[in-house]
Amino acid sequence: LAKTTQPISMDSYEGQEVNITCSHNNIATNDYITWYQQFPSQGPRFIIQGYKTKVTNEVASLFIPADRKSSTLSLPRVSLSDTAVYYCLVPYNFNKFYFGSGTKLNVKP
Amino acid sequence: DGGITQSPKYLFRKEGQNVTLSCEQNLNHDAMYWYRQDPGQGLRLIYYSQIVNDFQKGDIAEGYSVSREKKESFPLTVTSAQKNPTAFYLCASMTGASGQPQHFGDGTRLSIL
Repeated sequence: LAKTTQPISMDSYEGQEVNITCSHNNIATNDYITWYQQFPSQGPRFIIQGYKTKVTNEVASLFIPADRKSSTLSLPRVSLSDTAVYYCLVPYNFNKFYFGSGTKLNVKP
Repeated sequence: DGGITQSPKYLFRKEGQNVTLSCEQNLNHDAMYWYRQDPGQGLRLIYYSQIVNDFQKGDIAEGYSVSREKKESFPLTVTSAQKNPTAFYLCASMTGASGQPQHFGDGTRLSIL
């Protein structure tokens, strides 16, 4: 089972850059790494996905080292509305995904 | 707009009663999933379906049943055998191709009367 490990919680202040690292030691060669954001009582929302090196979109960047055993989600200049739970996912057993407890990010004013 | 629709948003179950949660998608996705989320916890996989008329048990299938008669629909029945059904239920879909993300509905919150 390709489990992931993330910090349980993180605190930040508005305007700061936040980096959340996830370890996935058992990732398979062809697997992508996907990050989601979840607000209370809502479904997870896709943030970014990557396979290797660096991926950037309008809301985040994803850094993946060469060994692909970890990945880092980078949120630039967070705001209060970024307070949420962030999940790192890798597939196991063909398109089944393990959701751990995620990282609860608390952004303070 | 394409998306996943879950209904109802809130549902209450009486003792000994079966209830069915609806999940419909118009994204033309092949694969659909049901997850359960308890307070402060991550999502746990109940059932999934990679194709019409076929589905597999996930990690916590006991007390639940599903059907996949149409590509766009994947209803979940919480049976009376599920002794602790109070939770937030999430439905997701994806294309089935490698490297594609799952898309989620907004969930159904099930409570016991």
